[in-house]
Amino acid sequence: AQSVTQLDSHVSVSEGTPVLLRCNYSSSYSPSLFWYVQHPNKGLQLLLKYTSAATLVKGINGFEAEFKKSETSFHLTKPSAHMSDAAEYFCVVRANAGKSTFGDGTTLTVKP
Amino acid sequence: DVKVTQSSRYLVKRTGEKVFLECVQDMDHENMFWYRQDPGLGLRLIYFSYDVKMKEKGDIPEGYSVSREKKERFSLILESASTNQTSMYLCASSFSGSRVYEQYFGPGTRLTVT
Repeated sequence: AQSVTQLDSHVSVSEGTPVLLRCNYSSSYSPSLFWYVQHPNKGLQLLLKYTSAATLVKGINGFEAEFKKSETSFHLTKPSAHMSDAAEYFCVVRANAGKSTFGDGTTLTVKP
Repeated sequence: DVKVTQSSRYLVKRTGEKVFLECVQDMDHENMFWYRQDPGLGLRLIYFSYDVKMKEKGDIPEGYSVSREKKERFSLILESASTNQTSMYLCASSFSGSRVYEQYFGPGTRLTVT
């Protein structure tokens, strides 16, 4: 069994300040973990993924995430938010070759 | 670049109509998926297919069926559309065989049933 919880449904930051989007997961097996971004009226785009290699994963657009097994977390961070980062973000867990489980999403607002 | 295309971006149908949503991928992926996206509920899996003519129910298959006659094409069918099927529908595809493979998504079809 697998599940994922995104701890914040909405996050608001000012442009130029750090971004933290939190994700906790549960899995019976060593999972892969993914972060996707969805801009308005668009499909989902992969930001980064963890597949049991390095625990600190770097993605596109300056985002990175750290896999912490002891905390069962995979939080997404970015040092400095840009207006174009405003979007919805999804954390995804996949424990085997079958189905993925998506979190409910976090809407990121970036204020000028 | 992987490309997943969906037949319509916006669709308006009447209650009781039969609705076909088409998805095509060009990367020779074995797996294909149909999701429904509603505000606050994330993505919910309707059906997925891991090979031609093979399908498995997802979390919310009621009221839907699927067809996969060719590897690159996966169709979602609403036999008799109802207003509670008004939603954003997302198609995705991926390689099979390992948990490491990410899914690639189409742009979505926003379906309104009146």
